[in-house]
Amino acid sequence: KAGVTQTPRYLIKTRGQQVTLSCSPISGHRSVSWYQQTPGQGLQFLFEYFSETQRNKGNFPGRFSGRQFSNSRSEMNVSTLELGDSALYLCASSSQVNTDTQYFGPGTRLTVL
Amino acid sequence: AQSVSQHNHHVILSEAASLELGCNYSYGGTVNLFWYVQYPGQHLQLLLKYFSGDPLVKGIKGFEAEFIKSKFSFNLRKPSVQWSDTAEYFCAVISRNNAGNMLTFGGGTRLMVKP
Repeated sequence: KAGVTQTPRYLIKTRGQQVTLSCSPISGHRSVSWYQQTPGQGLQFLFEYFSETQRNKGNFPGRFSGRQFSNSRSEMNVSTLELGDSALYLCASSSQVNTDTQYFGPGTRLTVL
Repeated sequence: AQSVSQHNHHVILSEAASLELGCNYSYGGTVNLFWYVQYPGQHLQLLLKYFSGDPLVKGIKGFEAEFIKSKFSFNLRKPSVQWSDTAEYFCAVISRNNAGNMLTFGGGTRLMVKP
């Protein structure tokens, strides 16, 4: 099976812009989670989607949002970008409803100038 | 809120040395436990996991971890490290009492193995 794929791999934006990142889970996986990885804060949970519904949300401002489509693909959006949003954004998918093993994609490296 | 602590932020070892990375979690309920590894320039990969049963779990590349419930610990071990084990290692926890698949990660341990 192909792994989790994320596009684009690299992105450079300026402050105030918005960005959309995409994630395609492993075939058959219905749960998609997003994480932010930074040197200072480490890996932090953003949100999780299952069957097009957001089930959990981390402690991030409302500028961070996401959605999931009927084919389980997911997008996350960050509006009004700030310098501090520069990070590696990771997507993970899992096959079961709860407490399952998550498999990670390569991430999207976002740089905000 | 649950939290995960990895006490060693940086570890430097010579090849063939033994490795033990500490991981403690704060949540008192039933949890699933994971170790992930991130090699330089690569994505997070699952090393091993514990859901139930034998508290000593074996993973890929000769790694193992022991779940000690009384100590809320899930330490990672390898008897003899190789230069190729140079990477960052993350311990992570999912609470079984909560719906969903939200992982809480430790801060990571950067391992450098000198040839």
